[in-house]
Amino acid sequence: GAGVSQSPSNKVTEKGKDVELRCDPISGHTALYWYRQRLGQGLEFLIYFQGNSAPDKSGLPSDRFSAERTGESVSTLTIQRTQQEDSAVYLCASSLIEGTNTEAFFGQGTRLTVV
Amino acid sequence: AQSVTQLGSHVSVSEGALVLLRCNYSSSVPPYLFWYVQYPNQGLQLLLKYTTGATLVKGINGFEAEFKKSETSFHLTKPSAHMSDAAEYFCAVSDRDDKIIFGKGTRLHILP
Repeated sequence: GAGVSQSPSNKVTEKGKDVELRCDPISGHTALYWYRQRLGQGLEFLIYFQGNSAPDKSGLPSDRFSAERTGESVSTLTIQRTQQEDSAVYLCASSLIEGTNTEAFFGQGTRLTVV
Repeated sequence: AQSVTQLGSHVSVSEGALVLLRCNYSSSVPPYLFWYVQYPNQGLQLLLKYTTGATLVKGINGFEAEFKKSETSFHLTKPSAHMSDAAEYFCAVSDRDDKIIFGKGTRLHILP
């Protein structure tokens, strides 16, 4: 597609429920990132997929968080047993990683509110 | 592992004054460096990047940044601030083929 697409754009869930967030990267981009941005805060790295390499999960805050990516396409971020501190905007980005073309292109994010 | 430090979570400048947002990085290899901007209620967009070659990089909206290896810095500047520059600015670094790591951001306020 023309840009990184994330769905849903907004999600309100009850504490303790599981949620799935979806990211469609730019076609042909081999790298995909998930970041979390709490209100008024910076970007917190969560997970990084690059081609066929094992994902870098070093940023996942707890075992309630997991992410998958199918080939070089769609990725889903799953949060199990959501807590109020999970409320944030979850940003997905993709990049090419080819020569000097390594910048990340961001989606509009999914705003998650846990009530 | 690479890291980024942005000095000042909030910076205020008067309209027409020089904008200077500071960024220092650490990287084990020659880095790629980026500045992103996030306008209110919008997504992040690339402002400029340094990969190789000329150390002074020009970006959109009159911004530029200079890669100084000896100082491990990549400060962002604009000669004359405009009200529309009010936004959150993020510096980022990558070790070439590795993931991009972002700083905590600096919110720029423009005073009339």
